[in-house]
Amino acid sequence: NAGVMQNPRHLVRRRGQEARLRCSPMKGHSHVYWYRQLPEEGLKFMVYLQKENIIDESGMPKERFSAEFPKEGPSILRIQQVVRGDSAAYFCASSPVDREGNTIYFGEGSWLTVV
Amino acid sequence: AQSVTQLGSHVSVSEGALVLLRCNYSSSVPPYLFWYVQYPNQGLQLLLKYTTGATLVKGINGFEAEFKKSETSFHLTKPSAHMSDAAEYFCAVSTSASKIIFGSGTRLSIRP
Repeated sequence: NAGVMQNPRHLVRRRGQEARLRCSPMKGHSHVYWYRQLPEEGLKFMVYLQKENIIDESGMPKERFSAEFPKEGPSILRIQQVVRGDSAAYFCASSPVDREGNTIYFGEGSWLTVV
Repeated sequence: AQSVTQLGSHVSVSEGALVLLRCNYSSSVPPYLFWYVQYPNQGLQLLLKYTTGATLVKGINGFEAEFKKSETSFHLTKPSAHMSDAAEYFCAVSTSASKIIFGSGTRLSIRP
């Protein structure tokens, strides 16, 4: 049973470009979460999605960031017009329908570097 | 709203010594509590969790944590540190209806 799959693992973008990070949840999981980890900092919640529905986006920056989890395919975190401050590790996590006491399972992360 | 505070951003212990990583939480309703471990350049791995029932929770790699409601704490311990325990440890809290909120992390170093 494959775990949470994230790609790319490493992404380099120039300032002003777009970054797209993909996340495929564990088999049977229908909830996806995105977290951001800045250097030397903890994990900050960004967004919580179910298929075709954003449940909680209270941690998403108001501009340039968006997330989706379509009926088919992976969840996508999209960052438009990237700036140096967007350089971070972005972690996706998933949980099953019954959320197993809210346990979430993490992917290996996507490291974004903006140059 | 929930929050979690990890006391000590960096803890260093000798190999074979007791490991104690502190975590205090804030929640207006009964919480779910978690400890995750992160090795360099990797994702987070669940160490243990408390949902209901027994307040002493045992996890992987010999770690355990005790939920103390009166102290709003969920400290992580291991009787004898091993070099392979060196990593970043995150405490987290949630409720049945909310997302999981993480603490700022504690980096554990092990001295030979």
